[in-house]
Amino acid sequence: KAGVTQTPRYLIKTRGQQVTLSCSPISGHRSVSWYQQTPGQGLQFLFEYFSETQRNKGNFPGRFSGRQFSNSRSEMNVSTLELGDSALYLCASSFEGAGNTIYFGEGSWLTVV
Amino acid sequence: AQSVTQLDSQVPVFEEAPVELRCNYSSSVSVYLFWYVQYPNQGLQLLLKYLSGSTLVKGINGFEAEFNKSQTSFHLRKPSVHISDTAEYFCAVSFQGAQKLVFGQGTRLTINP
Repeated sequence: KAGVTQTPRYLIKTRGQQVTLSCSPISGHRSVSWYQQTPGQGLQFLFEYFSETQRNKGNFPGRFSGRQFSNSRSEMNVSTLELGDSALYLCASSFEGAGNTIYFGEGSWLTVV
Repeated sequence: AQSVTQLDSQVPVFEEAPVELRCNYSSSVSVYLFWYVQYPNQGLQLLLKYLSGSTLVKGINGFEAEFNKSQTSFHLRKPSVHISDTAEYFCAVSFQGAQKLVFGQGTRLTINP
């Protein structure tokens, strides 16, 4: 069974540009969430989608957005990139249900220059 | 608000020695507790989780953790570590009904030969 797949794995962008990251969840998982990992702030929750609807949102500016498609695949977008957006972006998926294991992908490394 | 504190940012130990990584949490509601491990340049892998029942939880790779409700702690232990255990370890909580994790800052475990 394939795990959570994220693309691209590495990318470099310039300040002011925008970026789209893609995530394919484990087959059958309908909940997809995104996290940002930086050395200074650690792991922070961005948002969670279930059945194409955003169900939870973290404390990030509106430049960070996401969406989920009918096949549960998800994308997140960051507009007007800032140097501080350089981070590892982790996608995770799970079955519906409290306490279910949340499985993580290998992440997308974003560097903003 | 819920929060997680990992008391040690770095823990150096010798190979085959025991180790304990400490985690305390703060929450006004019942939580589920998790330990994840992150190897270099990889995503997060679940080691173990506590949902309910027995307070001693056994996980993969010989790790175990004990839930202590009165002390709001969920410390991770391993009786004998191996070089391959070198990684960063994250304690996390989720709240009943929410597919969202709140992470501690992580503990870097370094195994010396």
